[in-house]
Amino acid sequence: AAGVIQSPRHLIKEKRETATLKCYPIPRHDTVYWYQQGPGQDPQFLISFYEKMQSDKGSIPDRFSAQQFSDYHSELNMSSLELGDSALYFCASSRGTGDYGYTFGSGTRLTVV
Amino acid sequence: DQQVKQNSPSLSVQEGRISILNCDYTNSMFDYFLWYKKYPAEGPTFLISISSIKDKNEDGRFTVFLNKSAKHLSLHIVPSQPGDSAVYFCAATFQGGSEKLVFGKGTKLTVNP
Repeated sequence: AAGVIQSPRHLIKEKRETATLKCYPIPRHDTVYWYQQGPGQDPQFLISFYEKMQSDKGSIPDRFSAQQFSDYHSELNMSSLELGDSALYFCASSRGTGDYGYTFGSGTRLTVV
Repeated sequence: DQQVKQNSPSLSVQEGRISILNCDYTNSMFDYFLWYKKYPAEGPTFLISISSIKDKNEDGRFTVFLNKSAKHLSLHIVPSQPGDSAVYFCAATFQGGSEKLVFGKGTKLTVNP
């Protein structure tokens, strides 16, 4: 069965650089969520999209932005990267309202040096 | 402020015995709870969930118990198998909202052969 695809799997960037993380949801899933998991931390909700519109926003820095495109894939854009942005970034998708056990991708490990 | 707490960072049990993972929450508005399992280098995988209108939900070897008055839930795995060794995250959400999840910090379960 198709899963949530995230690319790249690993990314190394320098401070103040920009990074773009991509997420391709399971086919027919219309909702995408982004989570950030720092070292030894729990996953923290960043932002979500339902039918290409932002549905909720969590602890996402102003330096980050995201969008969901017409094909339902999503991109997380991160600018002016800081060392503290080093983390695992998970994307998850669901069929929207009421589908709580949504499916996570394998994550993108971002390392800022 | 950690709204979902998993106070045991690790747990070790013998194969065939019961594993009990605990989770406490502080926000009484949460009405849906989930357990996710995470292997290294993979995203969290949905395991089992429970609505606040129930106090028990069972799926094969996995049972989740909810004590609303104590704001406590637990995951029981019987019998435990070495393949169950993973990090288990407890998560909570509000039904009817954006389905964003609030995670605990996770408990690393090791099942010894």
